[in-house]
Amino acid sequence: DAKTTQPPSMDCAEGRAANLPCNHSTISGNEYVYWYRQIHSQGPQYIIHGLKNNETNEMASLIITEDRKSSTLILPHATLRDTAVYYCIVRVGSDYKLSFGAGTTVTVRA
Amino acid sequence: GAVVSQHPSWVICKSGTSVKIECRSLDFQATTMFWYRQFPKQSLMLMATSNEGSKATYEQGVEKDKFLINHASLTLSTLTVTSAHPEDSSFYICSKARGGTDTQYFGPGTRLTVL
Repeated sequence: DAKTTQPPSMDCAEGRAANLPCNHSTISGNEYVYWYRQIHSQGPQYIIHGLKNNETNEMASLIITEDRKSSTLILPHATLRDTAVYYCIVRVGSDYKLSFGAGTTVTVRA
Repeated sequence: GAVVSQHPSWVICKSGTSVKIECRSLDFQATTMFWYRQFPKQSLMLMATSNEGSKATYEQGVEKDKFLINHASLTLSTLTVTSAHPEDSSFYICSKARGGTDTQYFGPGTRLTVL
């Protein structure tokens, strides 16, 4: 049961901002939105998470719509090393499970 | 970010042998560790959850007698694939959390190839 919908792939130019959308229209009030990425042949890397407020850290910004039915991960200045599969996951705060979908394959081009 | 190591990073073994994979938390003590596997061109699938000092909880369809998990300390969990077969060839990844509901941080993965 897919809780999130992401585009299968997207390209972006090096140095430009990359905006990765995620739909989670059935999200519940106690579910967090998590973002991870997986570079080829490596383990997933935690990026950011949020509940309802926008969040920013050294890697990215997370914008969650007011109704919480969708969110956008923003990589402010994409580099070639940001090429990876990006996973948007919703997780109940009291539940440990992370269910990985297919994610979005992001290719940053020079 | 939080630091997790796995050893070995890759292993090739013969069918019928057992393989042990170690997952270590190098910074904080991890009450809970998780084991995932990922087949080529597929996403990660949770295999089991282990809490320090107690038996692991396996996901549906994962054979507990085949995939032995030991979480003997707050910094080490091991996964042993017993009597490995070619269909067990996969990318095995562990993750950790301070508590079960905390953010998970992943290791670099171990690529297992069974001949």
